[in-house]
Amino acid sequence: EIVMTQTPRSLSVAPGQPASISCKSSQNLLQSDGKTYFFWYMQKAGQSPQLLMYEISSRFSGVPDRFSGSGSGTDFTLKISRVEAEDVGVYYCMQGTDLPYTFGQGTKLEIK
Amino acid sequence: QVQLVQSGAEVKKPGSSVKVSCQASGGTFINYAITWVRLAPGQGLEWMGGINPMFSSINYARKFQGRVTISADDSTAYMELTGLDSEDTAIYYCARNISHRFDLWGRGTLVTVSS
Repeated sequence: EIVMTQTPRSLSVAPGQPASISCKSSQNLLQSDGKTYFFWYMQKAGQSPQLLMYEISSRFSGVPDRFSGSGSGTDFTLKISRVEAEDVGVYYCMQGTDLPYTFGQGTKLEIK
Repeated sequence: QVQLVQSGAEVKKPGSSVKVSCQASGGTFINYAITWVRLAPGQGLEWMGGINPMFSSINYARKFQGRVTISADDSTAYMELTGLDSEDTAIYYCARNISHRFDLWGRGTLVTVSS
């Protein structure tokens, strides 16, 4: 199965400052249909996970434009241009290119 | 607007089984797949398996194969887990799977395994 490795595991960022999370996959996530099924999810305390980014860099409906995704192949990054208090939670990368779907271990974002 | 409504919290004895349901309120499952993900205390999200009624396909994570059964009818998906032990204590989520992305989630069902 494809292993997803996230760094860092935790992040403390002052409001208004940028944040960046890295995710590496053990295999190339480019599928034969030309798409890369790589996603970012975020889970706030006591809530269900929510989709942030799909296919590397497309923001899901309602996601603020301070969130951006980039990368290709096996290396991906989620960036928050200016962290806000509502961004606190655990961020997960996930691959859907091959079964079983697999998640990264999660990155906990806190506000300084 | 479709919502995924999950069944209520369960407390189970070790060795028993649990069946969690996920009902599509305001829609049906015919046109999309449903996946199951769990979150155990102190752990990360873990994909368990999924069902695509349109293609009559079901897939399970190897870790749960033999213990999990996922099924669905027109409006409700089910996830049954057998041989429960304390490590199965977790919140179990269903989510809609469209083009491999989980865009709509249920609120989760807490399953506690305790003697």
